[in-house]
Amino acid sequence: AQKVTQAQTEISVVEKEDVTLDCVYETRDTTYYLFWYKQPPSGELVFLIRRNSFDEQNEISGRYSWNFQKSTSSFNFTITASQVVDSAVYFCALTETGFQKLVFGTGTRLLVSP
Amino acid sequence: DTEVTQTPKHLVMGMTNKKSLKCEQHMGHRAMYWYKQKAKKPPELMFVYSYEKLSINESVPSRFSPECPNSSLLNLHLHALQPEDSALYLCASSQDVIGGGAHFGDGTRLSIL
Repeated sequence: AQKVTQAQTEISVVEKEDVTLDCVYETRDTTYYLFWYKQPPSGELVFLIRRNSFDEQNEISGRYSWNFQKSTSSFNFTITASQVVDSAVYFCALTETGFQKLVFGTGTRLLVSP
Repeated sequence: DTEVTQTPKHLVMGMTNKKSLKCEQHMGHRAMYWYKQKAKKPPELMFVYSYEKLSINESVPSRFSPECPNSSLLNLHLHALQPEDSALYLCASSQDVIGGGAHFGDGTRLSIL
């Protein structure tokens, strides 16, 4: 069965600090997809990244970067020079066999204060 | 602005009412989804439509009835709901049948009196 664990319930940082959100997953499949979503207070889920299990290259997009390590079943997300607008709940998610069911972690609430 | 439009944004209904939630996308996506999200919890999948056919029903009670009239529209018909059904209902669509990378709507906040 697939499972996603986000052990950090809430993280508070001051603006301009770097912050890493952890994600650990469990799956029996060799082919799967991992995702990160952002949910600001307004409620909508914003897609940030999709990564398949065969692509372990790290990715950088502006202030965001992702570190995928199959050896530790982790897909961590780093925000560099955090901003107040980064305050949100961040969900890591996984989909495997059939690929239609997205299973979310419990989310990490990030609070960035000025 | 999201590319998946959900209406209404808020809905309050009694337990005997019948109402419908609507979702529309014009991105040509062939997979559409309904998720339910309780406060301070992650979204949970309810239904998946692929190419206008129901492909996944996550053992959702029959008081929730999905409908996909065409590739752009997805409805969720509600009848005889319970107070515990109060939640944020999110619609999503994706270009392919891979469940993630989906575009989500802003959701409908549903309150059952």
